[in-house]
Amino acid sequence: EAGVTQFPSHSVIEKGQTVTLRCDPISGHDNLYWYRRVMGKEIKFLLHFVKESKQDESGMPNNRFLAERTGGTYSTLKVQPAELEDSGVYFCASSRDRGALSGTFGSGTRLTVV
Amino acid sequence: GENVEQHPSTLSVQEGDSAVIKCTYSDSASNYFPWYKQELGKGPQLIIDIRSNVGEKKDQRIAVTLNKTAKHFSLHITETQPEDSAVYFCAAMAIGFKTIFGAGTRLFVKA
Repeated sequence: EAGVTQFPSHSVIEKGQTVTLRCDPISGHDNLYWYRRVMGKEIKFLLHFVKESKQDESGMPNNRFLAERTGGTYSTLKVQPAELEDSGVYFCASSRDRGALSGTFGSGTRLTVV
Repeated sequence: GENVEQHPSTLSVQEGDSAVIKCTYSDSASNYFPWYKQELGKGPQLIIDIRSNVGEKKDQRIAVTLNKTAKHFSLHITETQPEDSAVYFCAAMAIGFKTIFGAGTRLFVKA
């Protein structure tokens, strides 16, 4: 089966601009997670979708971040306006079961805000 | 809040030696402990996991141990090979809830 696909793989934008990251989960996986790793730090949970519903968005940093999963398939994470501290690697993972027990991660999007 | 501490942040070993990475978690409700390996340009990949009702689990050259009383768990890699070089993340979760990751250990295996 195809894995979790994320694009773009890299994005460099200026402070104040908008960026949209996309994640295509493994087909049939209802659970989709977004994570972020800031340089050298831990991978931090951002939010969890079950199909198109936000199950847990407690990790979203602030209201500049907006995640959607219309139709319960792919998901987008938009940052508007981007700030310097938003730089990092954004990972998406999907799983059939809740809790990512068998979660598969995408390769990530490296976002650099300059 | 819940957190997972991971040590060391960097580990360099000679090929054939063993490598040990240690983690400590804070949430006593955690009952599932996965370990991930991240190679350059790829996402984290689950390599082994352990549940709280088990003290040790082994899969070829990789083993994990769990001490629930002390809230410690460790990854042991024996007979290391250059292809083991990567960043390793420990994580803890209460099943059904969000995963809390450690900060990662960059392992270098020198040939």
